[in-house]
Amino acid sequence: DAGVIQSPRHEVTEMGQEVTLRCKPISGHNSLFWYRQTMMRGLELLIYFNNNVPIDDSGMPEDRFSAKMPNASFSTLKIQPSEPRDSAVYFCASSLVDSHSGANVLTFGAGSRLTVL
Amino acid sequence: GQNIDQPTEMTATEGAIVQINCTYQTSGFNGLFWYQQHAGEAPTFLSYNVLDGLEEKGRFSSFLSRSKGYSYLLLKELQMKDSASYLCAVKGGDYKLSFGAGTTVTVRA
Repeated sequence: DAGVIQSPRHEVTEMGQEVTLRCKPISGHNSLFWYRQTMMRGLELLIYFNNNVPIDDSGMPEDRFSAKMPNASFSTLKIQPSEPRDSAVYFCASSLVDSHSGANVLTFGAGSRLTVL
Repeated sequence: GQNIDQPTEMTATEGAIVQINCTYQTSGFNGLFWYQQHAGEAPTFLSYNVLDGLEEKGRFSSFLSRSKGYSYLLLKELQMKDSASYLCAVKGGDYKLSFGAGTTVTVRA
């Protein structure tokens, strides 16, 4: 299994530009999460989907952020227009029930490091 | 909301034991997780506790006391590769997973 796949791994853009981050969850996982990580705020949950349906987007910072999951194997997080304060590592994760513990365990992608100048 | 506290940094010697404490205040509780994150990499799952007591998995153990809102992660026989950030995460009554700021552990030779 290739794990959770994110692209791009790194993106540098200028303020005002549109940014689209992509995620392919692990096949068979029915929940997908978008997190943002910064030194100041740590890991923050932005939005999560269950069976492709957005369940909770209360963590999305403002209207400039949007996320979609058109099918079980693909999700996007879009920022339009981008601002310097959006600079962070954006992680996508999908979840599976751990057979040993019964816990719903998140598997993270490698992350997309975004720098907005 | 959730409030999760853990120390910022800890340093220990190779072969030693380190205990990372985590205290939390949540609206409801549906489990506590520990994740390991090496610099520049993604977090990876280490352990899960939902009932009081100790869960052991090789060199790593995790303990939970729900009445005290307290957990610890115990790392035994420390190795250089254990140098990483350790994240305490709590699943609250809304089933969302919230992370603490992480504890950076540095293992010295």
